[in-house]
Amino acid sequence: DAGVIQSPRHEVTEMGQEVTLRCKPISGHNSLFWYRQTMMRGLELLIYFNNNVPIDDSGMPEDRFSAKMPNASFSTLKIQPSEPRDSAVYFCASSSTYRPVYTFGSGTRLTVV
Amino acid sequence: GQQLNQSPQSMFIQEGEDVSMNCTSSSIFNTWLWYKQDPGEGPVLLIALYKAGELTSNGRLTAQFGITRKDSFLNISASIPSDVGIYFCAGQLRSGGSNYKLTFGKGTLLTVNP
Repeated sequence: DAGVIQSPRHEVTEMGQEVTLRCKPISGHNSLFWYRQTMMRGLELLIYFNNNVPIDDSGMPEDRFSAKMPNASFSTLKIQPSEPRDSAVYFCASSSTYRPVYTFGSGTRLTVV
Repeated sequence: GQQLNQSPQSMFIQEGEDVSMNCTSSSIFNTWLWYKQDPGEGPVLLIALYKAGELTSNGRLTAQFGITRKDSFLNISASIPSDVGIYFCAGQLRSGGSNYKLTFGKGTLLTVNP
């Protein structure tokens, strides 16, 4: 089992640029979660999907953020345009319907300069 | 919304000492989980608790699901340097259908001095 795979591990971009973060959940898991971690706010849930359908996106900061899950094995989180305050570590996690335990990826450290 | 209060925020201990941290909630949870995050990595599950009153051990780690279902604690016995990291509690209240949404505490930063 390869676990939850996120890419890239690190991303440095200039303000105003588009950023796309990628996630491959564990095979067989049907729930996928995007989190943002900062020192000030800790772990914040941005959005989660169940069976590829967005269920709750109330944590998405603003319209600059969007997430998609075109199939059971892939999800993206896009920020357009990016701003310095978006700098954080973004985690993807997945879980199975019948076991409420999240498995996290290693995260993407985003720096917007 | 649901909130978790995790304490202490940070701890500095000597190798060999025991550690205790806890989480309290304003809401009742059906599941309590404890995660550890190493630097540069994502949180990794340590212990999962599914029943009120449940006491579960995983090596030197012991965690309990409070009787009121509003709290949980994690104990680490005989700490070692590799216990360093951030420990998170998380609670889950099943929200309709098959959707599981976890609420995380702010974390406890543990430093172990050799």
